[in-house]
Amino acid sequence: EVRLVESGGGLVQPGRSLRLSCAASGFTFEDYAMHWVRQVPGKGLEWVSGISWSSGIINYEDSVKGRFTISRDNAWKSLYLEMKSLRPEDSALYYCARGLDHYATRPFDYWGQGTLVTVSS
Amino acid sequence: QSALTQPASVSGSPGQSITIFCTGTSSDIGGSNYVSWYQQHPGKAPKLMIFDVSNRPSGVSNRFSGFKFGNTASLTISGLQAEDEADYYCFSSTDRSTLVFGGGTKLTVL
Repeated sequence: EVRLVESGGGLVQPGRSLRLSCAASGFTFEDYAMHWVRQVPGKGLEWVSGISWSSGIINYEDSVKGRFTISRDNAWKSLYLEMKSLRPEDSALYYCARGLDHYATRPFDYWGQGTLVTVSS
Repeated sequence: QSALTQPASVSGSPGQSITIFCTGTSSDIGGSNYVSWYQQHPGKAPKLMIFDVSNRPSGVSNRFSGFKFGNTASLTISGLQAEDEADYYCFSSTDRSTLVFGGGTKLTVL
């Protein structure tokens, strides 16, 4: 069974940093691209960042470029999102999602349950 | 990257068919073979319903179908059922190798 479990969310002050993690199990992690998607409760979905199977291709949504860094550790079957210079508008439920294959521009077939990030003073 | 454009809401009666349209540009939907649709029930993670314009993942009912013409994609749900009531999001890759969702459409089954 494919499982994606996010962690690392919480309350953080504007301008501070936070690191999200996603632990994967039930599939060959290194065969798939991985992504972060966020959703403000009650609002729509927003793709944040994606990384190919080998970390050779990394893409970001414009509003997080230069502030967020996605990475993965295939040996530990884990995906990460380092978030710096956080803004109130970054507050959302952050989902980890698996791509359909190793390409970083394919849609996602499995999602975690999300970890909530709240940026507020 | 602007979100793809979807109607805020659609509705239909059980047994009827509805179609949700999603409009983008030549930089996303118009130039992409990777147009997808997601279903999201309240409090749940999204579920992939259609990928690569018109393909259904294993386990998704054949009542769901997708199509694309130019810069517009569509999702049709036939034989509406109460369980179909949910939010639906279109999704596409872009020519900048980024990904973009539509704003979401709330489907109400009357």
